[in-house]
Amino acid sequence: SQTIHQWPATLVQPVGSPLSLECTVEGTSNPNLYWYRQAAGRGLQLLFYSVGIGQISSEVPQNLSASRPQDRQFILSSKKLLLSDSGFYLCAWSVLGYNEQFFGPGTRLTVL
Amino acid sequence: SQQGEEDPQALSIQEGENATMNCSYKTSINNLQWYRQNSGRGLVHLILIRSNEREKHSGRLRVTLDTSKKSSSLLITASRAADTASYFCATPETSGSRLTFGEGTQLTVNP
Repeated sequence: SQTIHQWPATLVQPVGSPLSLECTVEGTSNPNLYWYRQAAGRGLQLLFYSVGIGQISSEVPQNLSASRPQDRQFILSSKKLLLSDSGFYLCAWSVLGYNEQFFGPGTRLTVL
Repeated sequence: SQQGEEDPQALSIQEGENATMNCSYKTSINNLQWYRQNSGRGLVHLILIRSNEREKHSGRLRVTLDTSKKSSSLLITASRAADTASYFCATPETSGSRLTFGEGTQLTVNP
């Protein structure tokens, strides 16, 4: 069966520090991968999605970046965090050609 | 603009009652999906209804889709306290690779 992992679960970082959030998927090959951010009490904002290794589409201009170094690994990064980067970050995957998405447990990021 | 918009934003009911949430969207779709999110957790896919379907059931869930009105509803029958969560509708982009989520309905079921 397929599983998706995200870490860390929670993170508190100072403004200006770097960020690296990791997401890995098991039990499937060549998945579409997604990074979302969710503000408290709000819907999901798509940040990045990837249909293959090294293929990243950016949805929102910001100081975040994403990379896909391996088929089932998706990394969200920042060189310098802003206060506005605080939020709940969710990784998800889907099977190419299907629309249903499967979500990880999320990372709660607080930038102070 | 938001593709999927749910209403109400918040709903509070007693255990045993039915809960109905609505979703409206703007463009043509080939399917519409409903997800559930418990507080502080990831989203869980509940049900997918295709554009050629009008109604679909899954356990205590009933989803309807009216493509002429560009709207969908999610009915949870005989609600339980454990149904307390946020519920989101989502519609795919034409390519099928991306979903657009609404702002969600926060459902509270009081025991």
